[in-house]
Amino acid sequence: DVVMTQSPLSLPVTLGQPASISCRSSQSLVYSDGTTYLSWFQQRPGQSPRRLIYKVSNRDSGVPDRFSGSGSGTDFTLKISRVEAEDVGFYYCMQGTQWPLTFGGGTKVEIK
Amino acid sequence: EVQLVQSGGGLVRPGGSLRLSCAASGFTFSDYAMSWVRQAPGKGLEWVSSISGTGGSTYYADSVKGRFTISRDMSKHTLFLQMNSLRAGDTAVYYCASQCSGGTCYSTFEHWGRGTLVTVSS
Repeated sequence: DVVMTQSPLSLPVTLGQPASISCRSSQSLVYSDGTTYLSWFQQRPGQSPRRLIYKVSNRDSGVPDRFSGSGSGTDFTLKISRVEAEDVGFYYCMQGTQWPLTFGGGTKVEIK
Repeated sequence: EVQLVQSGGGLVRPGGSLRLSCAASGFTFSDYAMSWVRQAPGKGLEWVSSISGTGGSTYYADSVKGRFTISRDMSKHTLFLQMNSLRAGDTAVYYCASQCSGGTCYSTFEHWGRGTLVTVSS
């Protein structure tokens, strides 16, 4: 199985400041078609997960442009350019390149 | 607007059975593979099972293989998860999710239901 490792586990951030979450996979996420199937999800308190980013860097409709995804191979990053109060919650990376589909353990973003 | 409306869930004793349902609307149901993802209390997300757009292919996590069965009713646009031989470790919120357009695209989870709690306890 592909193991997804996120860091940090907890990320206290000052409002208006940037935040960065790392996600590393135990194997390359490049599929045989050349595409890298890495997604990011946000889960606000008491809510269902919501997809933010797919295929490493494609932002979903309605997702603010302060969220961006980058990376390649086994090393990926989700960045929030200026954290807002509504960004509090857990963030998960997920790989869709190999069965079984696997998630990172999650990063908790909170306001300092 | 895409909607995934979940039902089922509840309290069941170890060894018991339960069936979850997820009624889909707002998209062409047969065009999307569908999945179940669960989240144990205070824990992260765990993929459970997926089914192709036509229902012809199914996939399971090792932790549920042989006990859970995923299926879909194309006429009712509904996804199901039949859970048998339930264990305490199956206690979780279960989410249904649509994957990506193409019927056999499983690489992400585009839309999510609100989740339903399954508690396995005596």
